[in-house]
Amino acid sequence: DAGVIQSPRHEVTEMGQEVTLRCKPISGHDYLFWYRQTMMRGLELLIYFNNNVPIDDSGMPEDRFSAKMPNASFSTLKIQPSEPRDSAVYFCASSLRRTGGNEQFFGPGTRLTVL
Amino acid sequence: AQSVSQHNHHVILSEAASLELGCNYSYGGTVNLFWYVQYPGQHLQLLLKYFSGDPLVKGIKGFEAEFIKSKFSFNLRKPSVQWSDTAEYFCAVLTGANNLFFGTGTRLTVIP
Repeated sequence: DAGVIQSPRHEVTEMGQEVTLRCKPISGHDYLFWYRQTMMRGLELLIYFNNNVPIDDSGMPEDRFSAKMPNASFSTLKIQPSEPRDSAVYFCASSLRRTGGNEQFFGPGTRLTVL
Repeated sequence: AQSVSQHNHHVILSEAASLELGCNYSYGGTVNLFWYVQYPGQHLQLLLKYFSGDPLVKGIKGFEAEFIKSKFSFNLRKPSVQWSDTAEYFCAVLTGANNLFFGTGTRLTVIP
């Protein structure tokens, strides 16, 4: 398996523009997670899905952020409108729930810079 | 609320020195414990994990960690670090609700 795939790897945009980040989880995994990493706040969970259904979105900073998972192999994180403080690395991760525990596999991340 | 504490923000060691990075968590239920490593410019990779059984867990690249339930700790150790171990290390706790909580990370710099 190719692992978790994210695109784009780097995104530079101007304040006010819409940004869409994409993620393809590992085939067969039933959980998908979106994280944000910044120097100030470290790694934060934004939202996660189970079987394509959003389970916990309490980490989504505000209404400008939205995430969807239309099918088991694709998810998007959208920021509209973007602001400079959204600049961060956004990671997608997936996992397979198993009895006895599971681990999350992380994608390479999308480095977002909002000017 | 659940939390994960990593005591050291930045650790600087010479090659061949021994390493111990502290991790404490606050959660009363059953947990799974992880250490992830992030090399410069790269994504998070799993170093080791504890689910159950032997509390001393061995991971990749000579790393190990010990789960001490009474202390709510899961410290990471390596007897002799190498320059290539320079990275950021994250402790994480997975709760029964499948929420993974990360510590703030410890940056390790190994001087050749």
